[in-house]
Amino acid sequence: AQSVTQLDSQVPVFEEAPVELRCNYSSSVSVYLFWYVQYPNQGLQLLLKYLSGSTLVKGINGFEAEFNKSQTSFHLRKPSVHISDTAEYFCAVSRNSGGATNKLIFGTGTLLAVQP
Amino acid sequence: KAGVTQTPRYLIKTRGQQVTLSCSPISGHRSVSWYQQTPGQGLQFLFEYFSETQRNKGNFPGRFSGRQFSNSRSEMNVSTLELGDSALYLCASSLAMGTEGNIQYFGAGTRLSVL
Repeated sequence: AQSVTQLDSQVPVFEEAPVELRCNYSSSVSVYLFWYVQYPNQGLQLLLKYLSGSTLVKGINGFEAEFNKSQTSFHLRKPSVHISDTAEYFCAVSRNSGGATNKLIFGTGTLLAVQP
Repeated sequence: KAGVTQTPRYLIKTRGQQVTLSCSPISGHRSVSWYQQTPGQGLQFLFEYFSETQRNKGNFPGRFSGRQFSNSRSEMNVSTLELGDSALYLCASSLAMGTEGNIQYFGAGTRLSVL
C-alpha cells in the first residue's frame, strides 16, 4: 500500500518570496508522483508529474519538484510566489503498473497563503 | 479540447433520498475515476471504470455505486443518503494507455449537501 505525508497544513509566505511545500511518500513498489492545486470552489488542477526520467520536473505557473528516491520525497518549489498562488496544494501517488490507471492516494493538503 | 465535465455543480438532498451524479471525460479518455473530498477524511478514492467495467473500488459502502457507458461517460449513484455523504465529489479521466495514461485530469466537482 502507498501513503503520502504533507507535514505542513499551512504555509504563510510573503509575495515574491520563495516557497517549498514538503511531500513524503511510502511505498513498497514503484510509484508515479503528482502535485495538484485546488482553488476555492474548484476541482483539482494538475501542476506537475513525475513518471520516469529526470528527477527534476517542471510544471505550470513556474512550479517545479524534485523526486528523491532515497529520501522518498517529492517537494514542490517556486522561486517567487504571487498572490494568485494562494490555494490548497495536494501531493499524490499512484502505483506504477504501466498503462493501467491506478487510484491516486492523496496527502492531506497544504494551504499556501501568500500575503502582500 | 474540452476538459472533464461534471453535472450538476451543486445538489441539495435530504436524508434517505438517492442521487445521481454525471461525468463526461476528456475526449479519447477511456478511464473514469471518482473521488470524495470532505474536510475530515480528505480525498478518498471511490471507484474506477474502464470499458464499462469497474476495475478498482475503494472502501465505501454498497450505497455508493457507479457505471460507465459505451461513450466513456460515467454516472455515480448514492442511495439512502446520510448526513455524512455531504462532500465534494470529483471525477477524473485518464487515457489508460501507455505511461502518460496514468495521469488523471479532474473536473470541477459536484458539491452535494445532505440535509
